[in-house]
Amino acid sequence: GAVVSQHPSRVICKSGTSVKIECRSLDFQATTMFWYRQFPKQSLMLMATSNEGSKATYEQGVEKDKFLINHASLTLSTLTVTSAHPEDSSFYICSATSQGYGYTFGSGTRLTVV
Amino acid sequence: GENVEQHPSTLSVQEGDSAVIKCTYSDSASNYFPWYKQELGKRPQLIIDIRSNVGEKKDQRIAVTLNKTAKHFSLHITETQPEDSAVYFCAASKARNSNSGYALNFGKGTSLLVTP
Repeated sequence: GAVVSQHPSRVICKSGTSVKIECRSLDFQATTMFWYRQFPKQSLMLMATSNEGSKATYEQGVEKDKFLINHASLTLSTLTVTSAHPEDSSFYICSATSQGYGYTFGSGTRLTVV
Repeated sequence: GENVEQHPSTLSVQEGDSAVIKCTYSDSASNYFPWYKQELGKRPQLIIDIRSNVGEKKDQRIAVTLNKTAKHFSLHITETQPEDSAVYFCAASKARNSNSGYALNFGKGTSLLVTP
């Protein structure tokens, strides 16, 4: 079946630094990648949608200059949290889609900003 | 945009009983309705899904019903077991064939506890 590998699974960073999260589709070409954020005991909230080779579309309230998304190839999408603050601490998870493969989730990244 | 409401937020049942979780959606163009089970710190796991051209789907102890007119769909778990304890999310999307660039819009989740 379709697999999306997400790294790192956990990361702790200092306030003001940047963190990059990677999602790779291992056995299919992901034409679209969705990035979600999930705070404790809450639902998955869509942050942005990216199509390979195009600029990401951000949801209302999500700062595009803070959450940089790159989807340069059909197998790799990255989310960079820039100038991280403690309130950015959350569970970040990607979801890839492609014709015939449905929605495949990465394993998630637990980000803690100290 | 799509708004998905989910109830209840918490549900406690005894082992062997049935559990029902209900969701409503707002966008009549939505046509794909999956249900996910999520354990703490893990990715959501698809347990069953239904498309708008079907009214009911069953997979062993799990079933989903869809009422397009009323824009609501429900998850039914029969003969619950302690290992069914988790958070369950409903979602809705306009996707055709489970993709096409439309995101899943999630409900707020239901924390299900099955006590032995």
